[in-house]
Amino acid sequence: KQEVTQIPAALSVPEGENLVLNCSFTDSAIYNLQWFRQDPGKGLTSLLLIQSSQREQTSGRLNASLDKSSGRSTLYIAASQPGDSATYLCAHDKAAGNKLTFGGGTRVLVKP
Amino acid sequence: NAGVTQTPKFRVLKTGQSMTLLCAQDMNHEYMYWYRQDPGMGLRLIHYSVGEGTTAKGEVPDGYNVSRLKKQNFLLGLESAAPSQTSVYFCASRIYYGYTFGSGTRLTVV
Repeated sequence: KQEVTQIPAALSVPEGENLVLNCSFTDSAIYNLQWFRQDPGKGLTSLLLIQSSQREQTSGRLNASLDKSSGRSTLYIAASQPGDSATYLCAHDKAAGNKLTFGGGTRVLVKP
Repeated sequence: NAGVTQTPKFRVLKTGQSMTLLCAQDMNHEYMYWYRQDPGMGLRLIHYSVGEGTTAKGEVPDGYNVSRLKKQNFLLGLESAAPSQTSVYFCASRIYYGYTFGSGTRLTVV
């Protein structure tokens, strides 16, 4: 079983709708969880980092929550725009080794 | 400030050929990583380094070797390329919790 799972794999919404992206993980003993954005043909850009002692982080229209007990994190993007179209990946690392383990990503398309 | 630079950006190899991918960072980061990304599978860790002169295996190390002779450079080598190594390879460096990724190398093995 994959350690980090993102469902759905793809999502299409009309402009202005709120986006809800889900991330689930099997090991609750994580050190922190991060959300990244990846544009086609590009590298990853860090969006939000939630440390294990935190419940959520916010940056502009983005809000990410973390529930370690249930093994879930959710990324909310308010009032989506076509420029939000990208693949969003979640990843966690554990105290030992500080190596990120990634989910498969959710590809988002925001239609004008 | 260039961040993390990967060379080359694209490469086509024949089965059995060898090559080296170069990752260079100018941020004085201690930690460096090599990941591969395949469709629908996210990124998987190949090898990583916690400082100059150190390397360690990640999740999918078979068929790859790495070296970190200088702090700013992390090299990924394929000794005998196989079609299963067709992928997009990403290098990253880290300080504290902040990761910086390169733009990737798209490798095709035919």
